[in-house]
Amino acid sequence: EIVLTQSPATLSLSPGERATLSCRASQSVSSYLAWYQQKPGQAPRLLIYDASNRATGIPARFSGSGSGTDFTLTISSLEPEDFAVYYCQQRSNWGTFGQGTKVEIK
Amino acid sequence: EVQLVESGGGLVQPGGSLRLSCAASGFTFSSYAMHWVRQAPGKGLEYVSAISSNGGSTYYANSVKGRFTISRDNSKNTLYLQMGSLRAEDMAVYYCARDTGPALEMATIDWGQGTLVTVSS
Repeated sequence: EIVLTQSPATLSLSPGERATLSCRASQSVSSYLAWYQQKPGQAPRLLIYDASNRATGIPARFSGSGSGTDFTLTISSLEPEDFAVYYCQQRSNWGTFGQGTKVEIK
Repeated sequence: EVQLVESGGGLVQPGGSLRLSCAASGFTFSSYAMHWVRQAPGKGLEYVSAISSNGGSTYYANSVKGRFTISRDNSKNTLYLQMGSLRAEDMAVYYCARDTGPALEMATIDWGQGTLVTVSS
């Protein structure tokens, strides 16, 4: 099973700041990595698929990069609605999720 | 608009059974693989099971293999998860999700709101 490790566990930032989230895979997943956003009481929402492609309707402030084992989700300037938990997910070998990074208001 | 509506969750005793349903609308259900993903209270996401568009291919997480069965009825636009021998660790919100195409790409683009399964005596 491919294990995804996300860091940091919690990111404390202010609106307008840049957020950088990391996801590391235990073995190469090529570019088969997605990022999801989840707010309390809601289902996850797909943000980025195949490492760097924004899903439909996702604002341009969200971007993804990386390949192989190291991936990054960047939110260029945090909006109030961006404070949430973010999960990465690989689909190179079936599917597994990372444990999540919580982006909280500082 | 894509809609996925889960139902069938509730309280069940350890060792019991439950069947979850997911009613789909707003897209051609028979053309898409479907998934069940769960989330234990306060925890992260875990893939549980998946089925291809025609039901010919299925996937089960090791944690549920032999106890859960995924199926679909394309004439009713409905996905099912039959859960048996339930354990405390199966307690979670169960989400239904749509894949990007007919095969098991493990790419979930649309999600339902989930149904809560509570396992307790």
